[in-house]
Amino acid sequence: AQSVTQPDIHITVSEGASLELRCNYSYGATPYLFWYVQSPGQGLQLLLKYFSGDTLVQGIKGFEAEFKRSQSSFNLRKPSVHWSDAAEYFCAVGAGNSGYALNFGKGTSLLVTP
Amino acid sequence: EPEVTQTPSHQVTQMGQEVILRCVPISNHLYFYWYRQILGQKVEFLVSFYNNEISEKSEIFDDQFSVERPDGSNFTLKIRSTKLEDSAMYFCATQSEGMGNEKLFFGSGTQLSVL
Repeated sequence: AQSVTQPDIHITVSEGASLELRCNYSYGATPYLFWYVQSPGQGLQLLLKYFSGDTLVQGIKGFEAEFKRSQSSFNLRKPSVHWSDAAEYFCAVGAGNSGYALNFGKGTSLLVTP
Repeated sequence: EPEVTQTPSHQVTQMGQEVILRCVPISNHLYFYWYRQILGQKVEFLVSFYNNEISEKSEIFDDQFSVERPDGSNFTLKIRSTKLEDSAMYFCATQSEGMGNEKLFFGSGTQLSVL
């Protein structure tokens, strides 16, 4: 069965510092991988996705993620964090027979300090 | 950017009551989904809906749950007899094509509290 693990429940970084959020997946075939962000009171917004091709994926808001099959990882990175990046971040893997039956991780809460 | 609209934003109900959660999809979207997030837990897939029928559902989506597009625009999730454990944030999501190049748009969610 597909599963996603986000090892870090909370992460705190200083504004301007670099960020890496970890995501590990378990999936039998080539996975469809996603990162979503959720700000308080908001829905889930897609940051980026990986289906195939270049393993380094660029997303919105300056985020990127790298698919590493050998490590079963899809870590999210940003070189310089802004205070507005404080939010909950979810990694997800595609599953199911149709459309987006996504399997989500439990999320990582990002706090940005001045 | 287009938006998926969910109403109400908060719903409080008594155990055993029926609730209907509503979603207005983006106008040209064809695939519809419900997910839920119990407080402190991960977002879970409930059901996908295409061409007026369920295309996939999870084990969470039992006989107490149903979905429909009653007027061709709104997409609803009905819980027939709510239980305490149904308390969660329910997200609607819509998509213009199948898995591939199109992305999924999520609504802001309905917070359901069952007392």
